Order: sequence, then C-alpha cells, then structure tokens
Amino acid sequence: AQRVTQPEKLLSVFKGAPVELKCNYSYSGSPELFWYVQYSRQRLQLLLRHISRESIKGFTADLNKGETSFHLKKPFAQEEDSAMYYCALSGGETSGSRLTFGEGTQLTVNP
Amino acid sequence: KAGVTQTPRYLIKTRGQQVTLSCSPISGHRSVSWYQQTPGQGLQFLFEYFSETQRNKGNFPGRFSGRQFSNSRSEMNVSTLELGDSALYLCASSLGQGSDEQYFGPGTRLTVT
Repeated sequence: AQRVTQPEKLLSVFKGAPVELKCNYSYSGSPELFWYVQYSRQRLQLLLRHISRESIKGFTADLNKGETSFHLKKPFAQEEDSAMYYCALSGGETSGSRLTFGEGTQLTVNP
Repeated sequence: KAGVTQTPRYLIKTRGQQVTLSCSPISGHRSVSWYQQTPGQGLQFLFEYFSETQRNKGNFPGRFSGRQFSNSRSEMNVSTLELGDSALYLCASSLGQGSDEQYFGPGTRLTVT
C-alpha cells in the first residue's frame, strides 16, 4: 500500500523566514514524488517533482529514500507563497497516472 | 493550449438520484484521472482512464463508475447518491506516464441533499 503523510495541517511563518513543509511516504517500490500547490481560487497545479531536480519559485525538495521523506523547502518565504501544498506519490510506470496525496499543509506567510 | 474543463461546475442533487460529470482533457492527453476532495478525507483517487480503458481504480463502491470516449473526454457517474457523496470532484489529464505532470480542472462541486 502507498501512503503519504504531511504532519502539519497549518504552518505560519513571517515573510523572509525559511519554510519547510514536511512530507513522508511509504511505498515498497521506487516512487515518483511531487509537490502540488493550490493558490486561493486557483486550480491545483504542479510545483515540482523529484525527477526534475529543479527549483521552482525558490522551492526545492530532495528525495531522501533512507528516511522516506520529500520535504519542501524555501530559504526566504514570500507573502505570495501562501497557499495549500500537497505532497503526492505515484508508483511510476506500474501505477499509471494514479496519485496518492497527503492531507495537505496550509501555509500562511505573514507580512 | 486550453486547460482541462469540467462541466457542470456546480450541481445539487437529492439522495437516491444519479449524476454524470464531464471532463475534457488537454488536447493530446490520453489519460484522465478522477479525484474526490472532501474536508475530512482530502484528495482521494477514484479511477483513471487511458485510451478508453480503465487502467486504475481506487477504493470506492461500485456506485462510482466512469468511461472515456475516443476523443479522450471522460465522464464519471454516481448512482444512488448518498449525503456523503457531497464533495468537489476533480479530474486531471496527462500524457499517461507515472512521472508526467497532471493538469487539473476547476472541479465540479456536488451537493447531495
């Protein structure tokens, strides 16, 4: 069975502070990990995926297979980062496009 | 390119009725997945269709069904509606590989009274 856990439902930081959104997963094979974001009144959209190894809007995430984690980090949070963030897992080729989502973390960046 | 569209956007039904929701994927995308989003359960996978075939199915009762047409448009149907079926139903389209980005629609808000 595959499972994604985001331990923080709510996270509040001040502008300019570092932010880390935690994500842990359980999966027996080699998963594909993603972060999706939903800004207020907008659609759910991809923020980044571990295979790309790129930084989007200053966010990065490293897949740690030993700790089965895929935490999302940004060194200096901005007010426009306030949104709902979902960590998601795909089983890769064997599970098609099926995504298992975590419960989500609502990030608020205060001025 | 045009994004994923879902119709209708809002729907109110009575217990026991059935409902059909529609999703039009991005042109060229062959995979359409459906998700149910509720405050209590979050985002839960319903099923995925790829080239008109159901490729994956989540843990939902048989009252939830779907299909995909040759132009990749997809419909999902819920029969014998229950109060607990009230949710936002999202569809997402992609090229169909596990590592592909999924593009989500705006959702259909279903309220069952």
